[in-house]
Amino acid sequence: EVQLSESGGGLVNPGGSLRLSCAASGFTFNSYAMNWVRQAPGKGLEWVSSITGSGGSTYYADSVQGRFTTSRDNSKNTLFLQMNSLRAEDTAIYYCARGPLSDIFYFDSWGQGTLVTVSS
Amino acid sequence: DIQMTQSPFFLSASVGDRVTITCRASQGISAYLAWYQQEPGKVPKLLIYAASTLQPGVPSRFSGSGSGTEFTLTISSLQPEDVATYYCLKYNSAPYTFGQGTKLEIK
Repeated sequence: EVQLSESGGGLVNPGGSLRLSCAASGFTFNSYAMNWVRQAPGKGLEWVSSITGSGGSTYYADSVQGRFTTSRDNSKNTLFLQMNSLRAEDTAIYYCARGPLSDIFYFDSWGQGTLVTVSS
Repeated sequence: DIQMTQSPFFLSASVGDRVTITCRASQGISAYLAWYQQEPGKVPKLLIYAASTLQPGVPSRFSGSGSGTEFTLTISSLQPEDVATYYCLKYNSAPYTFGQGTKLEIK
């Protein structure tokens, strides 16, 4: 069974940083693309970032480009999202989600999400 | 960037009704279109990918169609458990964009 478990969310001041993690199990991690999707309170879904199975390619939404960095440790089956220069509009539940293949970017399994709140 | 326009924003229908939700892309995306269901307070769930392929385990009353710029999600006979917000997602290339969502309620 595919399991994805996010951690690292919390309250952070505007301009601060936070690192999210997503621990994966139940599948061959390095064979699948991984993704971050967020949902602001009461709002719709917004794609944030994707990374190929090897980690060789990453993609970002314009809204986070230059501030967020996605990486993965395939030896530890873990996905990361380093978030810098955080803004109030980054407040959201952040989901990690698996792609169906190494370089295909829709999302077939989702974690439960971790809440990030950016506020002073 | 390609924009995804989903309609309607809100839909109220009766149990047993046939329901259709539309998603339009500002440029052609072939069949790189997925549909998601998000029940209140829950994690999104993949219903359909490649515009018309049903994800295993999804009830057969759900179906998808379309290619290029216009896509539809159809529920053939609405059930009470289908109350949710539905989103389309285009995934031909980055940025991977969701539609604005359609909130479906039972009349």
